[in-house]
Amino acid sequence: GENVEQHPSTLSVQEGDSAVIKCTYSDSASNYFPWYKQELGKRPQLIIDIRSNVGEKKDQRIAVTLNKTAKHFSLHITETQPEDSAVYFCAAGKGEYGNKLVFGAGTILRVKS
Amino acid sequence: NAGVTQTPKFQVLKTGQSMTLQCAQDMNHNSMYWYRQDPGMGLRLIYYSASEGTTDKGEVPNGYNVSRLNKREFSLRLESAAPSQTSVYFCASSFSSGGEQFFGPGTRLTVL
Repeated sequence: GENVEQHPSTLSVQEGDSAVIKCTYSDSASNYFPWYKQELGKRPQLIIDIRSNVGEKKDQRIAVTLNKTAKHFSLHITETQPEDSAVYFCAAGKGEYGNKLVFGAGTILRVKS
Repeated sequence: NAGVTQTPKFQVLKTGQSMTLQCAQDMNHNSMYWYRQDPGMGLRLIYYSASEGTTDKGEVPNGYNVSRLNKREFSLRLESAAPSQTSVYFCASSFSSGGEQFFGPGTRLTVL
């Protein structure tokens, strides 16, 4: 089955700096890669996703890149702000019936002001 | 439009007790999921229902059963709770394959 590894487990950055979180996956058939943000005590919420027919996707300060050959994808947050502090999860799945996702273990991002 | 709702929010059980966690969505989604979240382990899929009338095991199904009652509701049952089932449980739903999963607020379960 699919296995998703996520690094680093914790990341501290200064406000205004960039943050990068990386994930690798094992199943070459996976074609859907979402990123979720979870604030303390809250539910996970989708912040951006990418499909395997696209190499990069941006949404304001957030971008995701995908390297299908190497089977890894990354989340990039630019100009970080204190409200970006949260736990971020990557996931991988097949865009087929049922859309079963496998999640990474999460990255705790702390933005210091 | 409430999205995905879960009851209860908190629950404490003794070892061996049973209980059912309820989940409902009002977004007309076809697929529903149950996850557990433990510190340092991310979200792990327990069971899912790709569509009304179907259920399938996820990564960690042992000790759990599910019922897709109708298109809106998907329940998770613990028949004989164990301390290892202490966790935060999230229900989620998605419209179709490959779509965004929307999560409920979670149920924090402690088994003593």
